[in-house]
Amino acid sequence: GENVEQHPSTLSVQEGDSAVIKCTYSDSASNYFPWYKQELGKGPQLIIDIRSNVGEKKDQRIAVTLNKTAKHFSLHITETQPEDSAVYFCAASTIQYGNKLVFGAGTILRVKS
Amino acid sequence: DGGITQSPKYLFRKEGQNVTLSCEQNLNHDAMYWYRQDPGQGLRLIYYSQIVNDFQKGDIAEGYSVSREKKESFPLTVTSAQKNPTAFYLCASSIAVGGRLYTGELFFGEGSRLTVL
Repeated sequence: GENVEQHPSTLSVQEGDSAVIKCTYSDSASNYFPWYKQELGKGPQLIIDIRSNVGEKKDQRIAVTLNKTAKHFSLHITETQPEDSAVYFCAASTIQYGNKLVFGAGTILRVKS
Repeated sequence: DGGITQSPKYLFRKEGQNVTLSCEQNLNHDAMYWYRQDPGQGLRLIYYSQIVNDFQKGDIAEGYSVSREKKESFPLTVTSAQKNPTAFYLCASSIAVGGRLYTGELFFGEGSRLTVL
């Protein structure tokens, strides 16, 4: 089945700097790659997603890139702000697994002001 | 406001007791899910349901049970057979198309934290 690895497990950046979180997946048939943000004591919320027919997607300060050949995708956050501090999860899904999401282990992002 | 409501937010259980976590949604979604979250392990799928009166085991179903008698409700019972039940439990819902899961956004509740004393 699908396996998703996420790095780093923790990331500290200075306010205003960029943050990059990387994920690799194992199933070449995976076709949907969302990113979720989880604030303390809350449930995760979708912040951006990308499908396998697209290489990059941007939404204001966040962007996701997908390299299907290397089977990895990354979340980029520019001009980080204290409110970006949270746990971020990547995930992947494939029709072979019934479109269920397989999540990475998560990255704790701390933005220092 | 449309969303997912989980209750209780905090729950304490003695060993050997069954407990039931409630999950209600008013998003009119066909699919509902239960995930378990442990530090450093991401979200692991316990059970999911694509349509009323039907549900399937996820990756870690042992020691858990569910029911899906109404579209809006998907309660999770943590039984005494679950060896390590202390965790944060998340319920989610999503669109399903033709009784099959659709690759799109999962909407999560705020979670229930279960502690076994």
